[in-house]
Amino acid sequence: GENVEQHPSTLSVQEGDSAVIKCTYSDSASNYFPWYKQELGKRPQLIIDIRSNVGEKKDQRIAVTLNKTAKHFSLHITETQPEDSAVYFCAANIPGGNDYKLSFGAGTTVTVRA
Amino acid sequence: ETGVTQSPTHLIKTRGQQVTLRCSSQSGHNTVSWYQQALGQGPQFIFQYYREEENGRGNFPPRFSGLQFPNYSSELNVNALELDDSALYLCASSLLIDRANYGYTFGSGTRLTVV
Repeated sequence: GENVEQHPSTLSVQEGDSAVIKCTYSDSASNYFPWYKQELGKRPQLIIDIRSNVGEKKDQRIAVTLNKTAKHFSLHITETQPEDSAVYFCAANIPGGNDYKLSFGAGTTVTVRA
Repeated sequence: ETGVTQSPTHLIKTRGQQVTLRCSSQSGHNTVSWYQQALGQGPQFIFQYYREEENGRGNFPPRFSGLQFPNYSSELNVNALELDDSALYLCASSLLIDRANYGYTFGSGTRLTVV
């Protein structure tokens, strides 16, 4: 989405290493930032999310950090496993119309090498 | 299962035809959004419906239209289909509270092919 930039577009890591994906957003009014994992041919699945009043959130091997001043947020996957291979999308709740809409980044294809 | 269901799962249409895609929202959600996902790209926001009215729209032409019903289910209609309309169409339901949507849950999508 034009309001959310995501990097890198592809990421290859060795099993057991960490993976980091970064996103930036343009509208400081954005207040909710979910991350989705999409496996080939399947729907995007919510894996973690963070609200703008929180700086960091962790769920087992996955963590998300938010820097509101710099308007960027990141996904961290530790101890990567082959089943972590997928396309990951960041998203931001962007003001649009009468209410907020969810805008997506272009995605990061993560490959975990065994 | 997430509770968001879409139909049909696959569809082949001819250029110039019209198509209607359907989505039922997850229990407890009050908002439905539609997205177009081309191969290798992120989902692109088409529009959102809340209380049976469109309350947000992305950069899509008027031939993309929709409806939301009292039970929060929704339809996406596309007229005068073009080859570039071939994509995966995703529906997501969410709960709109205090001008923010939470808990976006996606359906499995409808794969539309225009020939």
